Amino acid sequence: DAGVTQSPTHLIKTRGQHVTLRCSPISGHKSVSWYQQVLGQGPQFIFQYYEKEERGRGNFPDRFSARQFPNYSSELNVNALLLGDSALYLCASSLVAGANQPQHFGDGTRLSIL
Amino acid sequence: QKEVEQDPGPLSVPEGAIVSLNCTYSNSAFQYFMWYRQYSRKGPELLMYTYSSGNKEDGRFTAQVDKSSKYISLFIRDSQPSDSATYLCAMSEIRGGYNKLIFGAGTRLAVHP
Repeated sequence: DAGVTQSPTHLIKTRGQHVTLRCSPISGHKSVSWYQQVLGQGPQFIFQYYEKEERGRGNFPDRFSARQFPNYSSELNVNALLLGDSALYLCASSLVAGANQPQHFGDGTRLSIL
Repeated sequence: QKEVEQDPGPLSVPEGAIVSLNCTYSNSAFQYFMWYRQYSRKGPELLMYTYSSGNKEDGRFTAQVDKSSKYISLFIRDSQPSDSATYLCAMSEIRGGYNKLIFGAGTRLAVHP
């Protein structure tokens, strides 16, 4: 069975540009969460989506947005990129939102801002 | 003070050693605890998860939770070079219809032959 898949694997952008990252959850999982992992730190929560609705948001600016599609895949968008946005962006899927259950991660998109 | 504290290491052990990895946390509302393993340039891979205080065993891995002390541990028996990775502890926090994972900084483990 396919796990969580993310694309692209690596992306290089310059300051001020916009980026879109994509995620497909495990089959049967209806919730997708996004995390940012800076080098040497644990992942930080950005969003959780369930049934196409944003259910929760972490402490990130409005430049970060996301959406979930009817097939439960998701996109993360970041506008006006800053050097500090350089990080590994991870997508995690789970059966539902708002419950204590495992979240399974993809291998992430490594975003480099020049 | 961070909600979840984890010694970043690095921790270097010989093959066959027993490894002990630990995290402390401050929020008594955390009820669900996980350990992830992350290889270089890969995403976190779920190793174990548990709700309750006590021990949970899976092969060479044992997860231990002590809620009274707000302390969790992961033990790896008969460690192998393939166990060399960063180990992340995570706690689940439920808030009004969503849940987020709060991670420690990760401990880098190197198992040498």
